[in-house]
Amino acid sequence: SQQGEEDPQALSIQEGENATMNCSYKTSINNLQWYRQNSGRGLVHLILIRSNEREKHSGRLRVTLDTSKKSSSLLITASRAADTASYFCATDDNNDMRFGAGTRLTVKP
Amino acid sequence: DVKVTQSSRYLVKRTGEKVFLECVQDMDHENMFWYRQDPGLGLRLIYFSYDVKMKEKGDIPEGYSVSREKKERFSLILESASTNQTSMYLCASSWGGTGGYEQYFGPGTRLTVT
Repeated sequence: SQQGEEDPQALSIQEGENATMNCSYKTSINNLQWYRQNSGRGLVHLILIRSNEREKHSGRLRVTLDTSKKSSSLLITASRAADTASYFCATDDNNDMRFGAGTRLTVKP
Repeated sequence: DVKVTQSSRYLVKRTGEKVFLECVQDMDHENMFWYRQDPGLGLRLIYFSYDVKMKEKGDIPEGYSVSREKKERFSLILESASTNQTSMYLCASSWGGTGGYEQYFGPGTRLTVT
């Protein structure tokens, strides 16, 4: 069963704008991961944030985690057309990983 | 670089056929996973394996079986394919043990059962 739920389901922005996607979950976690999927391909791992961390950065990506609210957000700054993809959060509780249904991001050139 | 390969990108089978989907990883990972992905439902875990010859049911194992005879290879078997098994199938692998590890995914197999 799904654990994480992404919001919004779809997001369309112009190149250069920032994109923010949210993930909410229901039970305790050890860590939360974000993945990206280009159309018709496999998922690619972006970033992992542990339950004792509040924020993590990787290039243009910024992930926050609020365990009290059971939520996480993924921010992509200065978006590019190549960022067009689906983004999934995955909650991990002792290697029991659950994926959400994803946010479909479209970045218009 | 970790590489996870799947035997086919696209597959068309008839109802009632036995279908084999193969997955191979080259990083000596202990854990391997099979998911199916359907629009609006995200990824759902079918089976996973944390060691050779070991398997555990995921959330939707009905109609599927798996085989892991070698560490690098994890096979998904549809014993008698049905139209409701038309889907994208994704294989993944990761390091074992606790601590939380990223999963490495194959490119996926889009299976159509007619």
